[in-house]
Amino acid sequence: DTAVSQTPKYLVTQMGNDKSIKCEQNLGHDTMYWYKQDSKKFLKIMFSYNNKELIINETVPNRFSPKSPDKAHLNLHINSLELGDSAVYFCASSPTGTSGSETQYFGPGTRLLVL
Amino acid sequence: LAKTTQPISMDSYEGQEVNITCSHNNIATNDYITWYQQFPSQGPRFIIQGYKTKVTNEVASLFIPADRKSSTLSLPRVSLSDTAVYYCLVGGSEVKLIFGTGTRLQVFP
Repeated sequence: DTAVSQTPKYLVTQMGNDKSIKCEQNLGHDTMYWYKQDSKKFLKIMFSYNNKELIINETVPNRFSPKSPDKAHLNLHINSLELGDSAVYFCASSPTGTSGSETQYFGPGTRLLVL
Repeated sequence: LAKTTQPISMDSYEGQEVNITCSHNNIATNDYITWYQQFPSQGPRFIIQGYKTKVTNEVASLFIPADRKSSTLSLPRVSLSDTAVYYCLVGGSEVKLIFGTGTRLQVFP
């Protein structure tokens, strides 16, 4: 009964392909997030959704498109993958998403390698 | 958002107490101080949070001086399993979490 789960765990693909990463949380939280962690271990927020509504949309290429079918799921679709997209992508959730002091619960990460 | 500064890395031996200090000179009145721990190949995990003075839980203690411009995470009697990256975050009214470089703690036997 993993709280925040992501699939797949590993993703190896060629440049130019389109891929999706799925995230699900069973904590009953209202807000979900996507983060990117690069090779230098910097962790940066990309998007956040509150009850299926986009709340945070950082400066991310349009090739990245989040989709939230319901508040328990937040998927990340990436078009035309580039070498620089190689990173670990983390999904997270928090109860309300109304404060930066609220604890966020992270998934195990999806390791994306673009060749 | 307040920016944080932490040492890039620290080494320790099993059984020792480890103190990791974080500077956050521009902390705002509404901001809390939160520490996350990240093991290799895992997502960050909440450790402890505080606003002022001292907070203690089963894992760690957090010391915050009166001016709140810094904080110290204290890990008592570390073990090999405490080897991880520790992130200090400052936030309050804004939703965004800003992770800095973190402190890579290596515990040796």
